[in-house]
Amino acid sequence: SQQGEEDPQALSIQEGENATMNCSYKTSINNLQWYRQNSGRGLVHLILIRSNEREKHSGRLRVTLDTSKKSSSLLITASRAADTASYFCATLFSGNTPLVFGKGTRLSVIA
Amino acid sequence: DADVTQTPRNRITKTGKRIMLECSQTKGHDRMYWYRQDPGLGLRLIYYSFDVKDINKGEISDGYSVSRQAQAKFSLSLESAIPNQTALYFCASSGTDNTGELFFGEGSRLTVL
Repeated sequence: SQQGEEDPQALSIQEGENATMNCSYKTSINNLQWYRQNSGRGLVHLILIRSNEREKHSGRLRVTLDTSKKSSSLLITASRAADTASYFCATLFSGNTPLVFGKGTRLSVIA
Repeated sequence: DADVTQTPRNRITKTGKRIMLECSQTKGHDRMYWYRQDPGLGLRLIYYSFDVKDINKGEISDGYSVSRQAQAKFSLSLESAIPNQTALYFCASSGTDNTGELFFGEGSRLTVL
């Protein structure tokens, strides 16, 4: 069974607004990662947060991790039309296990 | 050139045919993976290999087999394709830094009629 569950499944916002996506998972993790996928293309790594970290920033991206609630959120600030894509969270149980992906959130940013 | 290359990018085949999807990477990674993506189901792991002599089943390995021909090459085979194997297939690689960060190919879209 899949480890992560993203919420919402789909999100539509206006350009300039912030977009927040959430991910919940079931077991203890080593790290949690977010990936982006443009329509029909390969996934691209965005950001990684380790289990002992609570927040990370990368450009317009902000990721939080709450291990007590087994949840993470990805915030994209000042969204642009080019941010339109699907976003996936992926969890790593340990260094010797493969990443497990959730079902993704489809983000549409309307110009 | 792409770091992870998949061939073919698109393939249409008929039920019962044998299909091979190939993947090669130039990142020098030891670890390689095959995932399948279906609409609304996200990515599901088919097989993974942590080195040339290591092959492991993933969540949905039934109906598939793999071969790790070299550190850089990892192929996925469908011995007798069926329509519900119609999907987008991704190969990925990762290093041994224990972060698990994946580098993906552009995908192989397979249609089984």
